[in-house]
Amino acid sequence: AQKVTQAQTEISVVEKEDVTLDCVYETRDTTYYLFWYKQPPSGELVFLIRRNSFDEQNEISGRYSWNFQKSTSSFNFTITASQVVDSAVYFCALSGSNTGNQFYFGTGTSLTVIP
Amino acid sequence: DAGITQSPRHKVTETGTPVTLRCHQTENHRYMYWYRQDPGHGLRLIHYSYGVKDTDKGEVSDGYSVSRSKTEDFLLTLESATSSQTSVYFCAISEGATGMGPQHFGDGTRLSIL
Repeated sequence: AQKVTQAQTEISVVEKEDVTLDCVYETRDTTYYLFWYKQPPSGELVFLIRRNSFDEQNEISGRYSWNFQKSTSSFNFTITASQVVDSAVYFCALSGSNTGNQFYFGTGTSLTVIP
Repeated sequence: DAGITQSPRHKVTETGTPVTLRCHQTENHRYMYWYRQDPGHGLRLIHYSYGVKDTDKGEVSDGYSVSRSKTEDFLLTLESATSSQTSVYFCAISEGATGMGPQHFGDGTRLSIL
């Protein structure tokens, strides 16, 4: 079965603090992809990153970084020096090679950055 | 911009009426998806399509049907709407030919069923 768990429902941080959003996944597929999406208060869903199961290198993009660890089935997302514009709901998602190209989303983490 | 347009953007209707939501894409993507988003549930897949007239069920397909007669259009129909189908509906496409690419979403349709 495919499952994505985002245990943190809501997080609040003060601007300029670092924050890590957790994502734990379950899959029996050997080939799979992990994703992060951002949904700001305006409601649109914005793709942030895709990582495949064979690439465990960490990814950094500006203030954003992602830590993929197959040993713990986690794909965590860190925002460094958070800003008010980072306030959004963040979703982690999983797609596996044997699941008919379906995506499985976590329930999301709502991040509020306080100025 | 992935060229995805959803219509209508907002709709209020009554229980028992049929409702059709339209998703239109301009970039000839093979895979298209319909999701619903509800508080506490994230996004849940309703149906998806992997080509013209090729569709399959997702996690929450009961009460919904879909059709895809052209590559660019993917329709979601609620045959007899119920209050439990009040939700925000998102259409998405997947990059690439395999359906494993990043998904890009339309702006959503807010549907209220009274």
